[in-house]
Amino acid sequence: DIVMTQSPDSLAVSLGERATINCKSSQSVLYSSNNKNYLAWYQQKPGQPPKLLIYWASTRESGVPDRFSGSGSGTDFTLTISSLQAEDVAVYYCQQYYSTPLFTFGPGTKVDIK
Amino acid sequence: EVQLVESGGGLVQPGGSLRLSCAASGFTFSSYWMSWVRQAPGKGLEWVANIKQDGSEKYYVDSVKGRFTISRDNAKNSLYLQMNSLRAEDTAVYYCARGQTPWIPDAFDIWGQGTMVTVSS
Repeated sequence: DIVMTQSPDSLAVSLGERATINCKSSQSVLYSSNNKNYLAWYQQKPGQPPKLLIYWASTRESGVPDRFSGSGSGTDFTLTISSLQAEDVAVYYCQQYYSTPLFTFGPGTKVDIK
Repeated sequence: EVQLVESGGGLVQPGGSLRLSCAASGFTFSSYWMSWVRQAPGKGLEWVANIKQDGSEKYYVDSVKGRFTISRDNAKNSLYLQMNSLRAEDTAVYYCARGQTPWIPDAFDIWGQGTMVTVSS
């Protein structure tokens, strides 16, 4: 099974500052045949279902602000919020779908305003 | 509008059964893999099960194998989760979710609002 880890568990960032969340998989989620990383990022605000932000590790879902970006390859990935806004307060999860149709999520990173 | 609406949650005793439903609308339901994902109170997300477009393939997380059964009725645009032999650790909000790309089990782009299942005596 592919195990996903995230760091930090939580972070507090000032409005307008950069927030960086890391995600690591226990094995590579890069498919060599199509050179795609099977890694997604979700945002979950309190009392709401998760929302897809990023897929294929770096492709923004339609409608997601461009202050959100994903990067990384293989086993190490990063979600960056370039300029934190109040509405970005949420828990962020990474998910691997390399072992599709079996999936695993990371434990989540809580982002707050400092 | 593309939408998923779950129902069927509630309070059940340990060892009991419950059937969750998810009604889909606004898209061609029969073209998509569908999944159930759960979230225990104050905890993270856990993928539970998924099912291929025609129901011919079903997959489960180890902790629910032999107890939960996922199914679908494409004529009714509905997804189901039959949960038997429920345990306290099954207490969670259960979300149904759609695979992003038709015919392919990939990231989840559409989620329902969730239905709460509480297993307690």
